[in-house]
Amino acid sequence: NAGVTQTPKFRVLKTGQSMTLLCAQDMNHEYMYWYRQDPGMGLRLIHYSVGEGTTAKGEVPDGYNVSRLKKQNFLLGLESAAPSQTSVYFCASRAGQHTGELFFGEGSRLTVL
Amino acid sequence: GESVGLHLPTLSVQEGDNSIINCAYSNSASDYFIWYKQESGKGPQFIIDIRSNMDKRQGQRVTVLLNKTVKHLSLQIAATQPGDSAVYFCAERSLDKVIFGPGTSLSVIP
Repeated sequence: NAGVTQTPKFRVLKTGQSMTLLCAQDMNHEYMYWYRQDPGMGLRLIHYSVGEGTTAKGEVPDGYNVSRLKKQNFLLGLESAAPSQTSVYFCASRAGQHTGELFFGEGSRLTVL
Repeated sequence: GESVGLHLPTLSVQEGDNSIINCAYSNSASDYFIWYKQESGKGPQFIIDIRSNMDKRQGQRVTVLLNKTVKHLSLQIAATQPGDSAVYFCAERSLDKVIFGPGTSLSVIP
């Protein structure tokens, strides 16, 4: 059981380039989340999804887009990367309504030059 | 708006002592409050959660207390061990969003 898997784990981009981070979970969870974490800080919610085909904005959605075409996958896209998007990105999933537990991936470290 | 914050950014405790990590929240509509542990270079790991209709919940060596009157959440770790050294985050769930606080770094002194 792999849990939550993020790819890639590391990526370096130039300003203006685009890329997609993939999150895959094999637990049949309904809810999925994308967070970013900057050095010495907490996690900030970018976007989330409450089920296949749905997405919603979190605390810091600007500059990012997401898609949830399949229940097991949640994609985070950067259309035109900026240095301010240099961060560690974490994906998480949650089973259902009666829990607060999120299962996290190992993170994707993105550097924008 | 929603916000979750911590009183103490760093905490140092002697091995074997009890640790208490505090958190303040502002959204009285949140239905779950959660504690996570994050070790260096890893993703956050769930410790324990508590529903808003409870005031105490115990796990293995951990206890979470919820005081809705003053909007305060705490995590108590009994007999703190070196392996407990990490950053601890409180989080709150409101509708389907899960919002994290800034974190407290716990350092265990052998």
